[in-house]
Amino acid sequence: GAVVSQHPSRVICKSGTSVKIECRSLDFQATTMFWYRQFPKKSLMLMATSNEGSKATYEQGVEKDKFLINHASLTLSTLTVTSAHPEDSSFYICSARSAEREQFFGPGTRLTVL
Amino acid sequence: GQNIDQPTEMTATEGAIVQINCTYQTSGFNGLFWYQQHAGEAPTFLSYNVLDGLEEKGRFSSFLSRSKGYSYLLLKELQMKDSASYLCACMDSNYQLIWGAGTKLIIKP
Repeated sequence: GAVVSQHPSRVICKSGTSVKIECRSLDFQATTMFWYRQFPKKSLMLMATSNEGSKATYEQGVEKDKFLINHASLTLSTLTVTSAHPEDSSFYICSARSAEREQFFGPGTRLTVL
Repeated sequence: GQNIDQPTEMTATEGAIVQINCTYQTSGFNGLFWYQQHAGEAPTFLSYNVLDGLEEKGRFSSFLSRSKGYSYLLLKELQMKDSASYLCACMDSNYQLIWGAGTKLIIKP
């Protein structure tokens, strides 16, 4: 199947710093990418949907100024957590949707904010 | 509103069979997915059903009834490595996935 990569896989940062997470579709073009956040023992929460070349659509309750999403090309989307705080510590997962409407998940990025 | 229901936790014995049910109510329907997720990892794709009936894939099978808004994932010959969370997700009319909360499956020797 198609491969989606995320970088970094783990990141530890100090409170107040910004962290950028990259999501790449390695062998297909993804017009749409999704960013999810997972809380312990809970389902995935969709944060935003990003379409290549346009602004991301954020779900209700997600701060767009805090979670900056850029989908600059058909194979790359980035999520930047600005001024991170301990409550932002979580597992962030991206997925990419192919032209055939299949959805492939990245391996996830574990963010720990000290 | 849109809603996906599945049991929170199930326990089964190694070598046995377990059925994980999922009921859904979504605005439009473009298929139902089952994913497996081990702790600390991203979900991995197991199955996709868009037509009624049973799809078999090795030890795992998935069933869909669109008229009843119901699906199940059947796991046979359970192995300890099958201990994981199993997520049911529906694709709505906008081709977005609506996720269930997941069923934690505990396998005992």
